[in-house]
Amino acid sequence: DIVMTQSPDSLAVSLGERATINCKSSQSVLHSASNRNYLAWFQQKPGQPPKLLIYWASTRESGVPDRFSGSGSGTDFTLTVSSLQAEDVAVYYCQQYYNIPYTFGQGTKLEIK
Amino acid sequence: QVQLQESGPGLVKPSQTLSLTCAVSGASISSGGYSWTWIRLPPGKGLEWIGNMYYSGSTYYNPSLESRVTISVDTPKNQFSLKLSSVTAADTAVYYCVRVRSSGWTGIFDYWGQGILVTVSS
Repeated sequence: DIVMTQSPDSLAVSLGERATINCKSSQSVLHSASNRNYLAWFQQKPGQPPKLLIYWASTRESGVPDRFSGSGSGTDFTLTVSSLQAEDVAVYYCQQYYNIPYTFGQGTKLEIK
Repeated sequence: QVQLQESGPGLVKPSQTLSLTCAVSGASISSGGYSWTWIRLPPGKGLEWIGNMYYSGSTYYNPSLESRVTISVDTPKNQFSLKLSSVTAADTAVYYCVRVRSSGWTGIFDYWGQGILVTVSS
């Protein structure tokens, strides 16, 4: 199985400031033929299901604010919230869809400082 | 607007079979380009992929659960189901049904149901 490890486990950032969440996979999720990274990011607010934010490591899902961005390749990835808003308080998960079983990171809890 | 809705018992006794159904609206479960999956979130733990069903009828399961899992589809009712046998307390979780936007052999988890809490207890 591909193990996904996120850091930090929790993060407190002031409103309007940048938040950065890291995700590392135990093996590359870059498909050489397509040159695509099979990596997604989800946001989960309390009492709600996870919501797709980013796929192919850096493609924003329709309707997702442009303050959310994804970067990275191979085994190291980053989710950045450029200017934290109150509604961004949530748990964030990375997920690889390169190999079965699909696996998720343990989650990073993002809070307001 | 695609919507998925889980239903089933919220309490299951140990050693019995957990059975859940996911009703899909706004999309045809038999149309190409999508597969359908179950994911769970145990309390205090992370998300765990359970298995996928493709529109062709093929299924793929998490090896950690494969011996106990069956995912099936009811095309006329536009719904799919999960059965997990011989449950224990470790199977207590919020269960989500999810649509997967296919891309080659894999896909992107784009629409999620609200989730249903299933507790395994006597």
